[in-house]
Amino acid sequence: NAGVTQTPKFQVLKTGQSMTLQCAQDMNHEYMSWYRQDPGMGLRLIHYSVGAGITDQGEVPNGYNVSRSTTEDFPLRLLSAAPSQTSVYFCASSYSVGATDEKLFFGSGTQLSVL
Amino acid sequence: AQSVTQLDSHVSVSEGTPVLLRCNYSSSYSPSLFWYVQHPNKGLQLLLKYTSAATLVKGINGFEAEFKKSETSFHLTKPSAHMSDAAEYFCGGTYKYIFGTGTRLKVLA
Repeated sequence: NAGVTQTPKFQVLKTGQSMTLQCAQDMNHEYMSWYRQDPGMGLRLIHYSVGAGITDQGEVPNGYNVSRSTTEDFPLRLLSAAPSQTSVYFCASSYSVGATDEKLFFGSGTQLSVL
Repeated sequence: AQSVTQLDSHVSVSEGTPVLLRCNYSSSYSPSLFWYVQHPNKGLQLLLKYTSAATLVKGINGFEAEFKKSETSFHLTKPSAHMSDAAEYFCGGTYKYIFGTGTRLKVLA
């Protein structure tokens, strides 16, 4: 039972490069989201999706794109990396949002450095 | 909309003494709130979740939180700290699953 799988675990980019962080879940969860974690700023929501074909912006969406073509996958794209995007990125999923017994399942994170 | 504010970025307690991590919320409707914990170099784990069934919520590892509407608070407590409680704790709300800025708990021997 894999849960939420993020790849890669570590990545170094040069300013201006593009890349995609992969996230996949095998729990048939409708809700998926991306966060970045920075010291002193907690977890900030980048983008989220409530189902295939549906995405929306979170607190800090600038510089990031997402798409949700399948229930399982929710990739995060950096179009032109900037040093300010150096962070630890977490993908998370949940069967739904707001149900009393629901919780977020997190991936193990991707540590991204932009030079 | 909904937001949360964690009032302390760092809290230090001695082993065996009570823990209090403070969280205030702002919500235009009845909120659903949670606490997550992140141990060093580990993933995030749900401690407990409030969904209006009961104002005192018991979680894992002896933690509990009390929802106080009059104070718009959802503070996390534990009667006696253990060394293994040293971690970062995040309060949040299920509206878009927004998290607070975190409180790093240090437990002194």
